[in-house]
Amino acid sequence: KNQVEQSPQSLIILEGKNCTLQCNYTVSPFSNLRWYKQDTGRGPVSLTIMTFSENTKSNGRYTATLDADTKQSSLHITASQLSDSASYICVVSGYSNSGYALNFGKGTSLLVTP
Amino acid sequence: DGGITQSPKYLFRKEGQNVTLSCEQNLNHDAMYWYRQDPGQGLRLIYYSQIVNDFQKGDIAEGYSVSREKKESFPLTVTSAQKNPTAFYLCASPGSGNTIYFGEGSWLTVV
Repeated sequence: KNQVEQSPQSLIILEGKNCTLQCNYTVSPFSNLRWYKQDTGRGPVSLTIMTFSENTKSNGRYTATLDADTKQSSLHITASQLSDSASYICVVSGYSNSGYALNFGKGTSLLVTP
Repeated sequence: DGGITQSPKYLFRKEGQNVTLSCEQNLNHDAMYWYRQDPGQGLRLIYYSQIVNDFQKGDIAEGYSVSREKKESFPLTVTSAQKNPTAFYLCASPGSGNTIYFGEGSWLTVV
């Protein structure tokens, strides 16, 4: 019943190249969508946060898009660096019978090679 | 500054022992969450609490227990019933303003 699906599961790219990560969700009603970067063994670090009315948001070389109609989001990384190697997690917040809920995707593991 | 403190950072457990991971927040948040992460895998929800004295099972609650006697504290006990407890454990708490606060995590290893 995972409501947040990320793809690809893993990705290897050369330093300097661009890449795009996908996040599809079925969470409803929707509150907001976040992208996080997580280094191994550390807490996730927020990259972008988007609400229903926002369809793009940038943070340096990271640009997230959101299509609330199709329930899809993407994270585009430009001019990748070795330090971009990490897991990228999509988190969709919404409301259920239990109240406000966080729904985590399983993440995309990105490896940037020289 | 407000935040979440997890302890210990590293913990070793012998088979058959219960261990408790601490998660403390000084953010005055109502909701707190515990997640487990295995190497190369995503975060999976163990338990969550929306308010003091109440908590709900997540997707992988078997072998774990929690309590929420105080707003600022949400300890996670890994019981001997959890057959494969070696993992990274992460505590989180969403606040207002679309922000989620995370602890730095705890590594648990069974020896």
